[in-house]
Amino acid sequence: QQQVKQSPQSLIVQKGGISIINCAYENTAFDYFPWYQQFPGKGPALLIAIRPDVSEKKEGRFTISFNKSAKQFSLHIMDSQPGDSATYFCAASMKGGADGLTFGKGTHLIIQP
Amino acid sequence: DGGITQSPKYLFRKEGQNVTLSCEQNLNHDAMYWYRQDPGQGLRLIYYSQIVNDFQKGDIAEGYSVSREKKESFPLTVTSAQKNPTAFYLCASNPGALGAQHFGDGTRLSIL
Repeated sequence: QQQVKQSPQSLIVQKGGISIINCAYENTAFDYFPWYQQFPGKGPALLIAIRPDVSEKKEGRFTISFNKSAKQFSLHIMDSQPGDSATYFCAASMKGGADGLTFGKGTHLIIQP
Repeated sequence: DGGITQSPKYLFRKEGQNVTLSCEQNLNHDAMYWYRQDPGQGLRLIYYSQIVNDFQKGDIAEGYSVSREKKESFPLTVTSAQKNPTAFYLCASNPGALGAQHFGDGTRLSIL
């Protein structure tokens, strides 16, 4: 049973455009929603995270939008750059992540120059 | 620099052989985790430990074993019972329930 569904699987965006990746979850006990960025041959690196008591969080060009009633959250990358080309994972957890994270299957993002 | 060190970077296993993947952290984090990553499948939790000498099974623990004798170290053994061990294995640590998980750079395991 997949508890976190991520879409799209792959995404191509022109340089300077907005990249949008969506995730939906099923378990209403989730209380922590991070996004990770992964480059080939490397471990995932935390990009930004949100808790369900806020609807939006922004850090630089990265924004998480969170819709608790719809059980959905999304990552927006503004002014996308070629260096943003990577695989992005959404995740969710209970107890703030203490018992591990449940990941989506990932989105392979390509930013075309 | 503080971080998580996984070794080796590449590992090959023969049929019927157990292999052990190393994970060391100098972040003074209490909790440590092992995930398996397969192409197109995201990361799946194998085992985790919130304190020394204690650990819990994750979603796909069958065919794996762990130990946590020291706070800094959380080795993973892939046993011969794991019939499909080829994957990218990632170790992570977490300072506490409200902290973010930090990942190492992984070990890629293949079958000879």
